[in-house]
Amino acid sequence: DIQMTQSPPSLSASVGDRVIITCQASVDITKYLNWYQHKPGKAPKLLIYETSNLETGVPSRFSGSGYGTDFSFTITSLKPDDVATYYCQQNDNLPPTFGGGTKVEI
Amino acid sequence: EVQVAESGGGLVQPGESLRLSCAASGFTFSSFWMSWVRQAPGKGLEWVANIRRDGGEKNYVGSVKGRFTISRDNAKNSVYLQLNSLRAEDTAVYYCARERDTGTYYSQIFDFWGQGTLVTVSS
Repeated sequence: DIQMTQSPPSLSASVGDRVIITCQASVDITKYLNWYQHKPGKAPKLLIYETSNLETGVPSRFSGSGYGTDFSFTITSLKPDDVATYYCQQNDNLPPTFGGGTKVEI
Repeated sequence: EVQVAESGGGLVQPGESLRLSCAASGFTFSSFWMSWVRQAPGKGLEWVANIRRDGGEKNYVGSVKGRFTISRDNAKNSVYLQLNSLRAEDTAVYYCARERDTGTYYSQIFDFWGQGTLVTVSS
């Protein structure tokens, strides 16, 4: 199985800060990397698919980049509503696997 | 509006069985692969299984192979997960998720999720 290593496990930032989360795959997954937002008690939400494609309706302050084994996810100006845990996930090979998550707090 | 809603969770003892259901609406159910994903307490997300549009192909994560069975009924817009020989480590919230249709065989991009149903395995 492909291992996804996400960092940091948690972070605390201020409203308006730029937040960057990284995700590393154990093998080359080309562009097949997605990002999800998960709030407690809620359904996870797809934010970005295939590295950099913003899901419809997702604010433009969210973005993603990378290729191969190294990827990043950025929130350009953190808002209170962004408090959540964020997960990367590879969809290059079965089984799809997730990173360990990054808990973002304010 | 696309919606998926899980049901069937509960408290069971080790070795027992449970059947989870997921009811879908707002889209042509028979056109999409469907998946189950779980989250153990304090842990991250783990994909469990998926099923092809017509039910003809099913895939599982290694830790549940031979114990869990995914199925679907396209006439009822529903997907199911039969959990047998349950273990304490199967304790988790189980989510049903739709896989995006990207024109490829399957995508493993989970574009709509339910809010989950809790399965607790404990004596």
